Amino acid sequence: DIQMTQSPSSLSASVGDRVTITCRASQGIRIELGWYQQKPGKAPKRLIYGASSLQSGVPSRFSGSGSGTEFTLTITSLQPEDFATYFCLQYNSYPRTFGGGTKVEVK
Amino acid sequence: QVQLQESGPGLVKPSETLSLTCTVSGGSITHYYYNWIRQPPGKGLEWIGYIYYDGSTKYNPSLESRVTISMDTSNDQFSLKLRSVTAADTAVYFCATHLGYRDGFDLWGPGTVVTVSS
Repeated sequence: DIQMTQSPSSLSASVGDRVTITCRASQGIRIELGWYQQKPGKAPKRLIYGASSLQSGVPSRFSGSGSGTEFTLTITSLQPEDFATYFCLQYNSYPRTFGGGTKVEVK
Repeated sequence: QVQLQESGPGLVKPSETLSLTCTVSGGSITHYYYNWIRQPPGKGLEWIGYIYYDGSTKYNPSLESRVTISMDTSNDQFSLKLRSVTAADTAVYFCATHLGYRDGFDLWGPGTVVTVSS
C-alpha cells in the first residue's frame, strides 16, 4: 500500500493568513492526488484533483502543486469558512489511501 | 444535482454483521464506481472497496475476507455488509463515487456513525 504522510496534523491561523499543507507519498504517484475539505457532519468536498486542477466552483484562493512524492495545498488569504479539516487522497493505485488530515483552527 | 446519503443501524453488536445502504438521489445509478470508506474515531480514512455499474467489485485486502458490496439499480442504491464486527469497526462510514477506474472520489455522502458495542 502507498502510505500518505500529511503535515502538520493541525495548525492555528487567522483570517487573511496564508496556509500550506503537505502530503508526502511513500512512492511516486505521478499527479494522481486530490485534496478535500471536511467539516463536521458534512460530506467531504473535493477541492483539487490531478494535484493542481481546481474543482469547479472552488474559490481560487485554493491551489495545489507537486508531483511524484511531494504535494502541497495552499490557501491564500484564509477565510472564515475555511476553518475545517483537510486531507489528501492518492488514487494512483489500489487500495486508495489517505493522508491523516490537517485541522485548521482559529488562532 | 446528484447527492449520496448513507443509512443503516447506528449500533451493531460484536460478531454480528454491519449493513449500510447508500442512496443516490437527483440522478440514477449509472457508469460510476460506488465506494465505501470509513473513519474510526480519531483516526484517518480507510477505503473499504467499490462496486462498478457492471457489478464488478474490488476490496481493500485488509477487509476483503469480511466485506461484500452490492448494488440495487432499480432503487438507485448500493450497500455494504461487514461481517463479524468488533469494536475496531466502530467508525463513520461514508459512501463516495468516481467516474473512471483511475479517478479520485468526486462526490461523497455526509457519513453515518456506526458503533459496535454489546
